[in-house]
Amino acid sequence: EAQVTQNPRYLITVTGKKLTVTCSQNMNHEYMSWYRQDPGLGLRQIYYSMNVEVTDKGDVPEGYKVSRKEKRNFPLILESPSPNQTSLYFCASSLISRGDNQPQHFGDGTRLSIL
Amino acid sequence: AQKVTQAQTEISVVEKEDVTLDCVYETRDTTYYLFWYKQPPSGELVFLIRRNSFDEQNEISGRYSWNFQKSTSSFNFTITASQVVDSAVYFCALKEVSRGSTLGRLYFGRGTQLTVWP
Repeated sequence: EAQVTQNPRYLITVTGKKLTVTCSQNMNHEYMSWYRQDPGLGLRQIYYSMNVEVTDKGDVPEGYKVSRKEKRNFPLILESPSPNQTSLYFCASSLISRGDNQPQHFGDGTRLSIL
Repeated sequence: AQKVTQAQTEISVVEKEDVTLDCVYETRDTTYYLFWYKQPPSGELVFLIRRNSFDEQNEISGRYSWNFQKSTSSFNFTITASQVVDSAVYFCALKEVSRGSTLGRLYFGRGTQLTVWP
């Protein structure tokens, strides 16, 4: 089954304690992306990756890091989490093609609470 | 500037009413795709429809219909005879695919919270 898997689904942690949210897709997609969703602001892109070892900042990259060592995985790293990073996070993947009209595939979301 | 604008933050209707969710987009690309996603209270994002910029035919799927008007850069979504289960946040999104665009990137509107009361 084609899917994007995020872990954990829920996490409560404290300020400053490094954490990683994993994301894995099994569709051989080149493009992967992280979004955060906050009330009234919709989904804002944090980082994206066009392929292995190719990553770039989205609209709200501050306080986050990513890596793309393998095509299927795109972890989101919060080196020193702060309360303003409390949010709902989504990982997504898709093909890259000018003819591609396929929707992005989304993970089920990770709800992070930073105390 | 927002590439996708959903001006309605919240809409409340009573069951069986029809409701239209507005979406206005902005792009210089001649080739692009538009999407609607539904986010129920459980939180996951559910894909509803895609439309490419060359196809202005309206689409109907059961109680859902979509009106794409290139002249006004709008891609509105109508739910006919709404039901309580339609209560969700609905997102409109734009994907640009012309040369120079960041291929694969999806631009989201801020979403419209629809509440359907029994």
